[in-house]
Amino acid sequence: LAKTTQPISMDSYEGQEVNITCSHNNIATNDYITWYQQFPSQGPRFIIQGYKTKVTNEVASLFIPADRKSSTLSLPRVSLSDTAVYYCLVGAFSGGYNKLIFGAGTRLAVHP
Amino acid sequence: GAVVSQHPSRVICKSGTSVKIECRSLDFQATTMFWYRQFPKQSLMLMATSNEGSKATYEQGVEKDKFLINHASLTLSTLTVTSAHPEDSSFYICSAQRAGGTDTQYFGPGTRLTVL
Repeated sequence: LAKTTQPISMDSYEGQEVNITCSHNNIATNDYITWYQQFPSQGPRFIIQGYKTKVTNEVASLFIPADRKSSTLSLPRVSLSDTAVYYCLVGAFSGGYNKLIFGAGTRLAVHP
Repeated sequence: GAVVSQHPSRVICKSGTSVKIECRSLDFQATTMFWYRQFPKQSLMLMATSNEGSKATYEQGVEKDKFLINHASLTLSTLTVTSAHPEDSSFYICSAQRAGGTDTQYFGPGTRLTVL
């Protein structure tokens, strides 16, 4: 299983762009990279998923370099409501399903 | 789309009783569902993987006789905590993997279990 490493915590201010980088040196060829957001006492919410290069949706962008050993989640113009824990996960396919092992995540605090 | 529900959202029970938690994928079929446990200020820990129509696969250290998992249909999986004790108090979260597609997992809102 690919292990991921993220910063434990980050601080930002409203309106700024936040970039959270995750390293996954042992990523396998068929692994996707997925980011989730979790608020206290709630289940994780899917943010974005990618395999290589750049992926963008209505809430975030995901940048993946050619070697795929890292990825960066970019949140444009954060607000106070973006204060949460962000998890980077790399899927490990086993028997036809995608087994996710959660790391510690990154606690993002957005300040006024 | 991709909504997963859990019921109940919170439950309080006495030590020694059993508690059943339901996980449903509301708008898609899920061949595989997962059960996680999360203690305060900690990350999610995968407990077991549940495939429709077959026995669940438990992670190392998770007692299969204590945490009974049933995945009877493509939209429903249940977790039963048998003979619950205070140390079983935790936040239990399920996820469902959409059949086909990119195998993205979608998570339920979680169930807070408190054992007195």
